[in-house]
Amino acid sequence: DIQMTQSPSSLSGSVGDRVTITCQASQDISNYLNWYQHKPGKAPKLLIYDASSLETGVPSRFSGSGSGTDFTFTISSLQPEDIATYYCQQYDTLPYTFGQGTKLEIK
Amino acid sequence: QVQLVESGGGVVQPGRSLRLSCAASGFSFSSFGIHWVRQAPGKGLEWVAVISYDGSNNNYADSVKGRFTVSRDNSKNTLYLQMKSLRIEDTAVYYCARDLTAGSGGVLDHWGQGTLVTVSS
Repeated sequence: DIQMTQSPSSLSGSVGDRVTITCQASQDISNYLNWYQHKPGKAPKLLIYDASSLETGVPSRFSGSGSGTDFTFTISSLQPEDIATYYCQQYDTLPYTFGQGTKLEIK
Repeated sequence: QVQLVESGGGVVQPGRSLRLSCAASGFSFSSFGIHWVRQAPGKGLEWVAVISYDGSNNNYADSVKGRFTVSRDNSKNTLYLQMKSLRIEDTAVYYCARDLTAGSGGVLDHWGQGTLVTVSS
């Protein structure tokens, strides 16, 4: 199985900060990577697919980049409603696998 | 709008069975692959299974292979997950999620809110 290593596991930022999460795949997955936002008690939400494509309706402050094994997810200006856990997920090879998640908090 | 609503969760003893359902609305259910993903308490997301638009293809995580079966009834717009020989480690919130494609493309663009399965004696 492809292992996805996500870091950091937790992150704290102030409103307006730029925050970055990284995800590393154990093998080349091209650009077959998604990013999801998950708030407690809610359905996970797709934010980014194909490593850098913004899902319809998702604010432009969210972005993704990378290919191969190294990927980055960025929130350009942190907002209070961005408090959530964020996951990367590879879909190059079944079984699809997720990173361990990054819990984002506001200072 | 796209809606996925899971049901069927509850408390079950180890070794017993349980069937989850996922009722879909707001889209052409028979045109999309659907996944099951779970989240154990305090843990991250774990992909469980996928079924193609017509039920002809499915895939499972090794952790559930041979114990779980995914199926669908397109006439009822409903997805199922039959879980047998349940283990303590199967305790989790189970989500169904729509694939962007008819198969197992892997982009999960809409998710339900989940149903909790607790395996305990």
